[in-house]
Amino acid sequence: SQKIEQNSEALNIQEGKTATLTCNYTNYSPAYLQWYRQDPGRGPVFLLLIRENEKEKRKERLKVTFDTTLKQSLFHITASQPADSATYLCALASSNTGKLIFGQGTTLQVKP
Amino acid sequence: NAGVTQTPKFQVLKTGQSMTLQCAQDMNHEYMSWYRQDPGMGLRLIHYSVGAGITDQGEVPNGYNVSRSTTEDFPLRLLSAAPSQTSVYFCASTGYNEQFFGPGTRLTVL
Repeated sequence: SQKIEQNSEALNIQEGKTATLTCNYTNYSPAYLQWYRQDPGRGPVFLLLIRENEKEKRKERLKVTFDTTLKQSLFHITASQPADSATYLCALASSNTGKLIFGQGTTLQVKP
Repeated sequence: NAGVTQTPKFQVLKTGQSMTLQCAQDMNHEYMSWYRQDPGMGLRLIHYSVGAGITDQGEVPNGYNVSRSTTEDFPLRLLSAAPSQTSVYFCASTGYNEQFFGPGTRLTVL
């Protein structure tokens, strides 16, 4: 069956360091992958999209990689700040149906 | 632009009651979706619509109905609420490869 996995354990890092979050998937042929940020009590907010034929995408302090051989995406936040503390969700769009399937999210805590 | 709005923000129901969760968007998007979010489960798709008059089932549609009479509105109906439907519900509309989410409705079914 199709599966998307993100680290369920919270990631705690020190301010200024690079945070790296992982999204793994199985039995899936994604057309593209998205990353969202979700703050407590609020809806997810779109951050980045990367297509199946792209290896890497950057936006300011954010970087996403996409390895369709490993079936994995990595999400990096460089020079992390306490304001980056949130839950980060990955989502894959099926090339067959176009529907988005979400991972369960990883909570990032950046300590000053 | 208000984006995606949802009402109510909070709701408590008794088992067997029915209610409608409202969702509206002002971005003229054709594609809209309803998700539920439970701890450790991520967002799961309930129903979606690709345009006015067209709806389809997602991953967890049982116990929910939707309709899409206009581009702007996409209400979600709980026909006979059950405790298993206690969750946070998010409505989303899809722009160009990006989903815009509403603020959510926190529903408790006793």
